[in-house]
Amino acid sequence: NAGVTQTPKFRVLKTGQSMTLLCAQDMNHEYMYWYRQDPGMGLRLIHYSVGEGTTAKGEVPDGYNVSRLKKQNFLLGLESAAPSQTSVYFCASSYAGQGYNEQFFGPGTRLTVL
Amino acid sequence: DQQVKQNSPSLSVQEGRISILNCDYTNSMFDYFLWYKKYPAEGPTFLISISSIKDKNEDGRFTVFLNKSAKHLSLHIVPSQPGDSAVYFCAASGGATQGGSEKLVFGKGTKLTVNP
Repeated sequence: NAGVTQTPKFRVLKTGQSMTLLCAQDMNHEYMYWYRQDPGMGLRLIHYSVGEGTTAKGEVPDGYNVSRLKKQNFLLGLESAAPSQTSVYFCASSYAGQGYNEQFFGPGTRLTVL
Repeated sequence: DQQVKQNSPSLSVQEGRISILNCDYTNSMFDYFLWYKKYPAEGPTFLISISSIKDKNEDGRFTVFLNKSAKHLSLHIVPSQPGDSAVYFCAASGGATQGGSEKLVFGKGTKLTVNP
């Protein structure tokens, strides 16, 4: 049981390049999330999904797109990377059920945009 | 506008003493609160949570207190150990009031250092 995994772990991009970050979970969770963490800013929600085929905007969605074609995968895309998108990106997932359920986080992807 | 505030960026305590990490929130619709712990180069891990219907939840050395009238919660670690040195994030959720998506709003974190 790997939990939440993220690919890649590190990436360096040039301004204007595109890339896709992959998140996979093997816990059969309905909900998945993408966050970014910047120094002194905590974790900010980019996009999230409440089930296969659904996506919704979070707090800081601009410049990113997401897709949830399979329940276990949640992809985060940067179409034209900008230096402001240099950050550590975390994916998380949670079970959908009665009451609140904790979110489980992946190990993160450190992205640098030059 | 920060809805969840952790006003102390850092805290340093001696091993064996109590660590108290504080968190304030502004949104009265929040009804569930969580603490996450994060080591460098790792993802956050869930530590402890509390529902708004309670004022205290305890799990081993970790206790979370909730004061709804003051919109304040705190995490107590007793006794503190060097392995507790990490960044602690407070998070809040509106649960069903946020459309059932269970979105979390995080504070900026407090870096705890426990000195041997």
